[in-house]
Amino acid sequence: DAGVIQSPRHEVTEMGQEVTLRCKPISGHDYLFWYRQTMMRGLELLIYFNNNVPIDDSGMPEDRFSAKMPNASFSTLKIQPSEPRDSAVYFCASSSGTGPYSNQPQHFGDGTRLSIL
Amino acid sequence: AQKVTQAQTEISVVEKEDVTLDCVYETRDTTYYLFWYKQPPSGELVFLIRRNSFDEQNEISGRYSWNFQKSTSSFNFTITASQVVDSAVYFCALSERNSKLTFGKGITLSVRP
Repeated sequence: DAGVIQSPRHEVTEMGQEVTLRCKPISGHDYLFWYRQTMMRGLELLIYFNNNVPIDDSGMPEDRFSAKMPNASFSTLKIQPSEPRDSAVYFCASSSGTGPYSNQPQHFGDGTRLSIL
Repeated sequence: AQKVTQAQTEISVVEKEDVTLDCVYETRDTTYYLFWYKQPPSGELVFLIRRNSFDEQNEISGRYSWNFQKSTSSFNFTITASQVVDSAVYFCALSERNSKLTFGKGITLSVRP
C-alpha cells in the first residue's frame, strides 16, 4: 500500500515567494497532520484535520501560513510570503481514527526540505 | 500540559552492544498513548511502537524491547545487539486524548562497526 506522499521533496526559493507543499494521505485515514522540524525547535505540530476539517491550528506560526484540505486525499500547506526563518523540513502525517481515544499511530511522509534564500 | 523528556541527546556504541534510550513523560490525563519513532539519516520518520496507558506489559520485537513503567512515568527503549543500521535519531512521543502528538527532542544513536 502507498504511504503518505509529499511533494516536492526539496524546494529552494527566494524570500518573498509563495511556497506550496502538497500531501496525499494514506487512503482511508481521516486524520491529517502538518509538522515542521528544525534543529532549534524539533518537531512541531502546525495544524491537523479530521475528516477534512481543521481541528487545531494553534501551531501555525503566523498568518503567512495557511493549510487546506479540499478532499480526503489531498492537503496543501502554503507560505506566503516566505521568509528565511521558514526554512525547515515539513512533514505530513496521517492516521485513522474511530473516536476521540483512537490515537492510532501517525504515518509520516518523507518530508519536504524547504530552503528560503 | 503534556511533556516528553529525552535527557540523552547523543549516544555512541560499538556494534553488538546493547543500548537503552530513555523517555520520561508528563501528563494529567489518565488515558494517553506513548510512541517511539525512528528517523534514519535519509530523513523519514518511521513508526516503531504505540502503547496505551492501561497496558504496562513490556513488549519485545526482535532486537527491540520497550519497558513502560507508570510509576516512574517512563517508556524506555532497548536495542539488543545493536547494528550499524540502527544509527538514527529516535523520538519518544506522547498523545493525550485529542490526537495531538508531543515529541521529545530526540536521541541521536550512532552505532560504530
